[in-house]
Amino acid sequence: GQQVMQIPQYQHVQEGEDFTTYCNSSTTLSNIQWYKQRPGGHPVFLIQLVKSGEVKKQKRLTFQFGEAKKNSSLHITATQTTDVGTYFCAGDNFNKFYFGSGTKLNVKP
Amino acid sequence: GAVVSQHPSWVICKSGTSVKIECRSLDFQATTMFWYRQFPKQSLMLMATSNEGSKATYEQGVEKDKFLINHASLTLSTLTVTSAHPEDSSFYICSARAGPGNTIYFGEGSWLTVV
Repeated sequence: GQQVMQIPQYQHVQEGEDFTTYCNSSTTLSNIQWYKQRPGGHPVFLIQLVKSGEVKKQKRLTFQFGEAKKNSSLHITATQTTDVGTYFCAGDNFNKFYFGSGTKLNVKP
Repeated sequence: GAVVSQHPSWVICKSGTSVKIECRSLDFQATTMFWYRQFPKQSLMLMATSNEGSKATYEQGVEKDKFLINHASLTLSTLTVTSAHPEDSSFYICSARAGPGNTIYFGEGSWLTVV
């Protein structure tokens, strides 16, 4: 079955440092979505990328979708303590939707 | 934005009994709903994909007779954990979308504890 791999598993940064998480799929995706989950909460939708090579920005967050539509990345510039949580990518291959293993971000003030 | 409501949020049941979890899309018609299970500090594991009016498609390793999924309408899907055992204790979460390629919205999740 389809697998979506995500690295790193954990990332500890000092407030103000940058953060990046990477997502790779074993198969070509129709689109990829990113979610953030806080402890005890449910995943919250951040963004969807559809086009090959697409780049989208949300304030300090930059999302990229690879040319082959198999990999993606989320980059946070100048992290803040409010960025703490687990970031998941989720690969959409039409009627199947699989999550990456997640990257847990901890930001030290 | 779109809202997906999941109920109950918390449930405790005795070993051997069954428990039903509901997932409702409140402001859109969900042609597809997904059911996930999440263990502490782990990712969401897809259990099954449910399309309205048809049988759910289960992932490998998920017992379809134990985790009964019904998607009888465009706004409601249910997951029934039958003959629950303590190892079924977990966080179950549903998600829904209006169609292929559409944004997927999540319910709030249900914490199941089997004692």
